[in-house]
Amino acid sequence: DVVMTQSPLSLPVTLGQPASISCRSSQSLVYSDGNTYLNWFQQRPGQSPRRLIYKVSTWDSGVPDRFSGSGSGTDFTLKISRVEAEDVGVYYCMQGTHWPYTFGQGTKLEIK
Amino acid sequence: QVQLQESGPGLVKPSETLSLTCTVSGGSISGYYWSWIRQAPGKRLEWIGYIYYSGGTNYNPSLKNRVTISIDSSKNQFSLRLTSVTAADTATYYCARVGDWNDLEYWGQGTLVTVSS
Repeated sequence: DVVMTQSPLSLPVTLGQPASISCRSSQSLVYSDGNTYLNWFQQRPGQSPRRLIYKVSTWDSGVPDRFSGSGSGTDFTLKISRVEAEDVGVYYCMQGTHWPYTFGQGTKLEIK
Repeated sequence: QVQLQESGPGLVKPSETLSLTCTVSGGSISGYYWSWIRQAPGKRLEWIGYIYYSGGTNYNPSLKNRVTISIDSSKNQFSLRLTSVTAADTATYYCARVGDWNDLEYWGQGTLVTVSS
């Protein structure tokens, strides 16, 4: 299985400051069709996960533009330009290129 | 807005069968892939498998011999059966709709299933 490795696992951030989460895969996530199936999810406390970004960098509807996704191959990043209180939660990357699709361990974002 | 709701027993005895149903509302089950995901305490999220509305399935090889996902389009529901459960199957189970990019665009609220005698 493709192993997804996130860092850091814990991310204390001051309100209004930027945050960045790295996600690395054990194999290239470029599929034979040329597309890269890398997605990001947010899980707020007490809630189920919510899709934030799909196809590496496309926002889901309703996701604030302070979130951005980037990367290619095996190296991907989720950035928050200015952290707000509602961003507290756990963030997961997930690859949808190689079956079984797999998730990262999760990065817990908290306010400092 | 599409909504999903898991239902089923919260407690299952070891060696028995775990059965959950996901009811889809606010949209049709037709034309989409539907999935089951789980998260054991302290572990990462895990894809169990998925089913196409017409019935084709794909299962995680780690569970393949024990899992069955089925669909009932007339009821806008799909279901999970996991046989011969052990304590390692204790987890929160989520149902979700699979998006065009093999992502999970809509999730249920999740249901905790505990395997214990």
